[in-house]
Amino acid sequence: DTEVTQTPKHLVMGMTNKKSLKCEQHMGHRAMYWYKQKAKKPPELMFVYSYEKLSINESVPSRFSPECPNSSLLNLHLHALQPEDSALYLCASSLRGDRDNQPQHFGDGTRLSIL
Amino acid sequence: GENVEQHPSTLSVQEGDSAVIKCTYSDSASNYFPWYKQELGKRPQLIIDIRSNVGEKKDQRIAVTLNKTAKHFSLHITETQPEDSAVYFCLILTGGGNKLTFGTGTQLKVEL
Repeated sequence: DTEVTQTPKHLVMGMTNKKSLKCEQHMGHRAMYWYKQKAKKPPELMFVYSYEKLSINESVPSRFSPECPNSSLLNLHLHALQPEDSALYLCASSLRGDRDNQPQHFGDGTRLSIL
Repeated sequence: GENVEQHPSTLSVQEGDSAVIKCTYSDSASNYFPWYKQELGKRPQLIIDIRSNVGEKKDQRIAVTLNKTAKHFSLHITETQPEDSAVYFCLILTGGGNKLTFGTGTQLKVEL
């Protein structure tokens, strides 16, 4: 299995809702990443987990809360989001750590729309 | 902050021509240099990468060259085909090796 699987593919939510994005990989990778991508822009790094510990938080607002329950799963909990948070949220994984000079494997993303 | 420049931002070529995209960085701690291709509505996919112990790497029609002294690396696509049309991103470690930063992207269009 060489895939990163993200669910849901699409999500529409109001500003007062609470929802979660999920990411799963079974490649034995020990680093997992969340990126945010706006239209016609490059992905922007949000969080990095290395060996199930949060190693990088790129000053992301607290309305985004990451969680890594085990080495295969990565969640992003959403609460009280703003319309400008509408974007494609990409999950990725790599072999060892956030600076391991290894390729990142991306999921297809969750397209999030905030009403 | 870290400066990652990618040029050109758009590139239009005729089918069969070559395309070259360049990424310039400033953090000398970088030693891994991948290129990703993202088709519209799809995930970024690694197409080629190079590490700082080599200067060039080739995989069929795709090659990457690295000049660590000048701090730039380039993607070369030969015999371009319509399916090469996509956005291409470089990705490097920045901030003393603490941050991953994508280049600004190049929209490549291969015309028939």
